[in-house]
Amino acid sequence: DAKTTQPPSMDCAEGRAANLPCNHSTISGNEYVYWYRQIHSQGPQYIIHGLKNNETNEMASLIITEDRKSSTLILPHATLRDTAVYYCRTYKYIFGTGTRLKVLA
Amino acid sequence: GAGVSQSPSNKVTEKGKDVELRCDPISGHTALYWYRQSLGQGLEFLIYFQGNSAPDKSGLPSDRFSAERTGGSVSTLTIQRTQQEDSAVYLCASSFDSGNTIYFGEGSWLTVV
Repeated sequence: DAKTTQPPSMDCAEGRAANLPCNHSTISGNEYVYWYRQIHSQGPQYIIHGLKNNETNEMASLIITEDRKSSTLILPHATLRDTAVYYCRTYKYIFGTGTRLKVLA
Repeated sequence: GAGVSQSPSNKVTEKGKDVELRCDPISGHTALYWYRQSLGQGLEFLIYFQGNSAPDKSGLPSDRFSAERTGGSVSTLTIQRTQQEDSAVYLCASSFDSGNTIYFGEGSWLTVV
């Protein structure tokens, strides 16, 4: 039981914002939302995390809904190198099936 | 070391042989995890260590799979009597404590022929 639901795939035009949704309707009050990405078959790489406030770092922004039941990872200006599988995680160390993002030239 | 280190990076073994995969976590990380990823699939949780004990080993697929951790640091995942369906990337990860940011190694690619 992964506790998170993500669309299996998405496309995004290069230079445009990529908005990746994650549903985590059973999240507990003290569980953080974490996002990772995996390029080809390299080890997944941490991107960003948050509890209830929106967060931004040099890689991405994280928007968490007020009820905390869903979140969106935003890559503001997607590049071809952002083509990867993106995972969100809330529950312990269990990952969902992820979203395969393809950035198109 | 600066990151999670795994060895070997690639291993080809014959069906029926035993294999050992090693993980050296980030220094100071008490939590350690093993995952399996088959080609094109997601991250399948195998086992979680806190220190040297494994409070959650629910993901181990069969009794051919075992893991240990010693000194609160290095961990070894052992697969006995390997089968072709064991072919996958085995990823190790660690975190400062359970529930924190998890950092992954680059994985050990296992091919059973």
